[in-house]
Amino acid sequence: DIQMTQSPSTLSASVGDRVTITCRASQSISTWLAWYQQKPGTAPKLLMYKVSSLESGAPSRFSGSGSGTEFTLTISSLQPDDFATYYCQQYNSYPWTFGQGTKVEIK
Amino acid sequence: EVQLVESGGALVQPGGSLRLSCGASGFTFSTYEMDWVRQAPGKGPEWISKISSSGNTIYYADSVKGRFTISRDNPKNSMYLQMNSLRVEDTAVYYCARDRDSQGFLDSWGQGTPVTVSS
Repeated sequence: DIQMTQSPSTLSASVGDRVTITCRASQSISTWLAWYQQKPGTAPKLLMYKVSSLESGAPSRFSGSGSGTEFTLTISSLQPDDFATYYCQQYNSYPWTFGQGTKVEIK
Repeated sequence: EVQLVESGGALVQPGGSLRLSCGASGFTFSTYEMDWVRQAPGKGPEWISKISSSGNTIYYADSVKGRFTISRDNPKNSMYLQMNSLRVEDTAVYYCARDRDSQGFLDSWGQGTPVTVSS
């Protein structure tokens, strides 16, 4: 199975900060990577797919980059609605796997 | 509007069985691959199974293979997860999710149904 490792596990930041979350795959997944946002008590919500394609309705302050085994999700200017947990997911090969999550907290 | 609604979650003893349902609306269900994903308390999501639009192709995670069975009824716009030989480690919120255009990422999720396996 492909292991997905996110860093950091927790990130403390302020409104307006630029935030970067890293996701590493244990083997190459090309660009078959998605990012999800999850708030407490709700289902994950698709943010980005194929590394850098922004899901319809997602704010343009979110961007993604990377290929192969290293990927990043960047929030250009953190907004109050962005405090949540973020997960990466590879869909290069079965079983699809998710990272363990990065919780973005208010500093 | 796409809607996915899970049901059937409950408290069950180890070794027991449960059948989850997922009702879909707002899209042409019969043309989409569908998935089950679970999330244990405090953990990240875990993909557990996928079924093709026709139901002919199915995948499982090793953690549930041989114990869980995914199925769908397209005329009823519904998907199911039959869970047998349940273990304590199967305790989680179970989500059904839609795979956009069979690409592999999940663009719509239900609200989830909780399954607790405990004696």
